[in-house]
Amino acid sequence: DVKVTQSSRYLVKRTGEKVFLECVQDMDHENMFWYRQDPGLGLRLIYFSYDVKMKEKGDIPEGYSVSREKKERFSLILESASTNQTSMYLCASSFRTSRSHEQFFGPGTRLTVL
Amino acid sequence: AQSVSQHNHHVILSEAASLELGCNYSYGGTVNLFWYVQYPGQHLQLLLKYFSGDPLVKGIKGFEAEFIKSKFSFNLRKPSVQWSDTAEYFCAVILYNNNDMRFGAGTRLTVKP
Repeated sequence: DVKVTQSSRYLVKRTGEKVFLECVQDMDHENMFWYRQDPGLGLRLIYFSYDVKMKEKGDIPEGYSVSREKKERFSLILESASTNQTSMYLCASSFRTSRSHEQFFGPGTRLTVL
Repeated sequence: AQSVSQHNHHVILSEAASLELGCNYSYGGTVNLFWYVQYPGQHLQLLLKYFSGDPLVKGIKGFEAEFIKSKFSFNLRKPSVQWSDTAEYFCAVILYNNNDMRFGAGTRLTVKP
């Protein structure tokens, strides 16, 4: 079974704190993605990576950065958390060479910024 | 702007009713199409996908979807819903040979027992 795990299910942070969200996949996928999920807005792509040390901006990268030092791990960083970053964060991964590009998702991290 | 539209935000049905959830996209060119489902408190999981061939695709749990290229649509259907189908449903699109997926806003389905 494909497994995508995220370091925390729930996280509470204060405004201005630096926040790290970690994601690990065990299927040797090249592609990894970070989304945020908000009611009525669906999933919006923050960043993705198609290889180690590679990253591409998604639709809403402002206020976020990412790190991919190892193939299986993709980290999302909030340099200075703000209340409008309170959201559910989902990590996903997929094969780059698969025609179907199916993405497999982690359980999500619900982040609250106070 | 290129986008994925899901027309219904919240659908409420009784058990055994038929379901159709609309999805339209605005991308030109060849696309791969997906429906994902998120049951309460669970991961997003793939319901079905289309990438070529028969435009009527069958997924898990009795769901199916039809790709109509001329209408840029990929509507999800189920002839008879169950209470356990209560979930949020997301339509998603990838441009062929691209890497990033675009999602619709989601449709929340509530099935009354």
